[in-house]
Amino acid sequence: GAVVSQHPSWVICKSGTSVKIECRSLDFQATTMFWYRQFPKQSLMLMATSNEGSKATYEQGVEKDKFLINHASLTLSTLTVTSAHPEDSSFYICSALRGPHTGELFFGEGSRLTVL
Amino acid sequence: DAKTTQPPSMDCAEGRAANLPCNHSTISGNEYVYWYRQIHSQGPQYIIHGLKNNETNEMASLIITEDRKSSTLILPHATLRDTAVYYCIVRVGGVQGAQKLVFGQGTRLTINP
Repeated sequence: GAVVSQHPSWVICKSGTSVKIECRSLDFQATTMFWYRQFPKQSLMLMATSNEGSKATYEQGVEKDKFLINHASLTLSTLTVTSAHPEDSSFYICSALRGPHTGELFFGEGSRLTVL
Repeated sequence: DAKTTQPPSMDCAEGRAANLPCNHSTISGNEYVYWYRQIHSQGPQYIIHGLKNNETNEMASLIITEDRKSSTLILPHATLRDTAVYYCIVRVGGVQGAQKLVFGQGTRLTINP
């Protein structure tokens, strides 16, 4: 099956620093990728939609200047958490859309961010 | 809001069939039923999807009622590795459907030895 890889799988950083998370589709091209956040014992919440070559679309309540998304190629999207604070600690998950018509969505393994 | 209703938890013995129900009484004619599962601290894994016909793949079977208001995911021979949270989601196809994906609380399935 299709594979989507995230890196790093976990990261610990100090408050105020920025952290970049990569999402790669390994065996297919993804013109659209999605970023989610999941807090403990809660479900996934969509943060933003990332389209290759254009600006990301953010969901209501998600600060675009804090969560920078770049989708520079058909196989890579990055999420940068800028000036991270402890409340940004969460499980960040990306997904990649294989084919605009079928709507098949494949998820990365997730990246656990802990901000001290 | 999620448009599906699932039991919060279920238990199943290893080796037996696990049948996970899902109610989606307000499903529209162009919406598919998708199932994903999430093993602890991992990203969701696609299992199966269907529109109105029953579907089967190497992982599971999906039974959709004739009126499409409910469905059942069947894991024919559950193993301990099938312990996970299972999400039933209704959505249209294509990019719009992927963007509008709404994860409810799902069913926490525990497979017991």
